[in-house]
Amino acid sequence: AQTVTQSQPEMSVQEAETVTLSCTYDTSENNYYLFWYKQPPSRQMILVIRQEAYKQQNATENRFSVNFQKAAKSFSLKISDSQLGDTAMYFCAFMIPGGSYNFNKFYFGSGTKLNVKP
Amino acid sequence: DAGITQSPRYKITETGRQVTLMCHQTWSHSYMFWYRQDLGHGLRLIYYSAAADITDKGEVPDGYVVSRSKTENFPLTLESATRSQTSVYFCASSEWYSSGNTIYFGEGSWLTVV
Repeated sequence: AQTVTQSQPEMSVQEAETVTLSCTYDTSENNYYLFWYKQPPSRQMILVIRQEAYKQQNATENRFSVNFQKAAKSFSLKISDSQLGDTAMYFCAFMIPGGSYNFNKFYFGSGTKLNVKP
Repeated sequence: DAGITQSPRYKITETGRQVTLMCHQTWSHSYMFWYRQDLGHGLRLIYYSAAADITDKGEVPDGYVVSRSKTENFPLTLESATRSQTSVYFCASSEWYSSGNTIYFGEGSWLTVV
């Protein structure tokens, strides 16, 4: 079975500091994609960053970066220079591609609520 | 670039009534999904569709019906609403060959069953 575990239900960080959100997953597949989504109070799901499992280089998107450890099945998100607007629920997810007319299977963690304090 | 639009955004209905949540995407993505989000459960897949007229059950399909006669539309119907179906519902779409195979979400439909 494919699972995604976010072991930190809630975290806090001071504005301008760095915070790391943890995510582990379990799959026997070798080809998959990993994502972090942000859900602010508006409930809109916003893609933060994505990583292809076959790439060794960690993805970076401005202040957001990941630490992808494939052997350990770990995919943590680091937010540098935290801003008040980063306050949100963050979901880790992975996707196993299904190909044409087969189901792209997405699996989501239960989320980590991040509070950025002024 | 409209993306995915859901309607209604907010709905209050009574137990036993039929409710339809609409979802429309402008990207012509093959895959479409319906998730519900409840406190403590994260996102749970209700139904998905791989193409027009191809749908299948997800993790929590009971009490829901979907159809997909056109690629761009994927309505979700609660045949006889129950209080346990009070939730935020997200429609999403994806294309298997697109860069990153990303899933894109609509803004959500808040449904309250009283």
